[in-house]
Amino acid sequence: QKEVEQDPGPLSVPEGAIVSLNCTYSNSAFQYFMWYRQYSRKGPELLMYTYSSGNKEDGRFTAQVDKSSKYISLFIRDSQPSDSATYLCAMGVQGAQKLVFGQGTRLTINP
Amino acid sequence: GAVVSQHPSWVICKSGTSVKIECRSLDFQATTMFWYRQFPKQSLMLMATSNEGSKATYEQGVEKDKFLINHASLTLSTLTVTSAHPEDSSFYICSGVRGQGALNYGYTFGSGTRLTVV
Repeated sequence: QKEVEQDPGPLSVPEGAIVSLNCTYSNSAFQYFMWYRQYSRKGPELLMYTYSSGNKEDGRFTAQVDKSSKYISLFIRDSQPSDSATYLCAMGVQGAQKLVFGQGTRLTINP
Repeated sequence: GAVVSQHPSWVICKSGTSVKIECRSLDFQATTMFWYRQFPKQSLMLMATSNEGSKATYEQGVEKDKFLINHASLTLSTLTVTSAHPEDSSFYICSGVRGQGALNYGYTFGSGTRLTVV
C-alpha cells in the first residue's frame, strides 16, 4: 500500500463546476498537507498549505484535512479553463524535510 | 515569494555525452535541494537529496555515478547526467527548501528541464 493514494483521473468537468480532488494516506504522523498545481512541462507550484486538521480557504480554493479519516480534499469553486492542470497532494512529518507526493490528478475544465 | 531558477528548460544531447542542469535559489538560501524525475503523466520520483556542503543522499535504485549532484553553495545545486542514454530522457525538477522549518513553507520547485537523449 502506498503511503499516499490519489486517483490519477483524468477528471473532466465543465467550466463553472465545483471540483473536488482527494487524497488518502496511511501514515498518521503526517501533519503538513499541501496541494500543488502543475501545468504541462512546468514545475509544480504550491497552491494550498495546511497544518494539522481543519479547513483553509484562499479565493476559489478550499483545502480540507480530516486526520481522523486520513483524508484530504481540495475544492475548486467556479472552475475555469485555466485551472486545467495536474494537482498533486503532498504530506510531511514534523521534523522531516521530505514530502511524500500523491500520483497527481489530471484535471481538465471544458469551456 | 521564493523562486528557484532552473536551467536549461530543455536540452537535446547525443547518447554518451553529459548534461548539466542548474538550480539556483534566487531570494532565499536553499539548505536542502531535492532532485526529482518525472515521466509523462506520472508523479514526481525523488532521485536524491542534497544538503549544502555535503554529499547527496540517493534514493534506492538511483545510480550515484550516473547522476552527479553538487550543492556547493546555499544558492546553487547542479545535477549532471553522465554518459546519457535514451532511457535517461525525462523531465528533471529540482526543489529547494529553507532550513529546518522547511515544511512550514512547502517546497519551491524549479520550472523543470526536459532532457532528450538521441
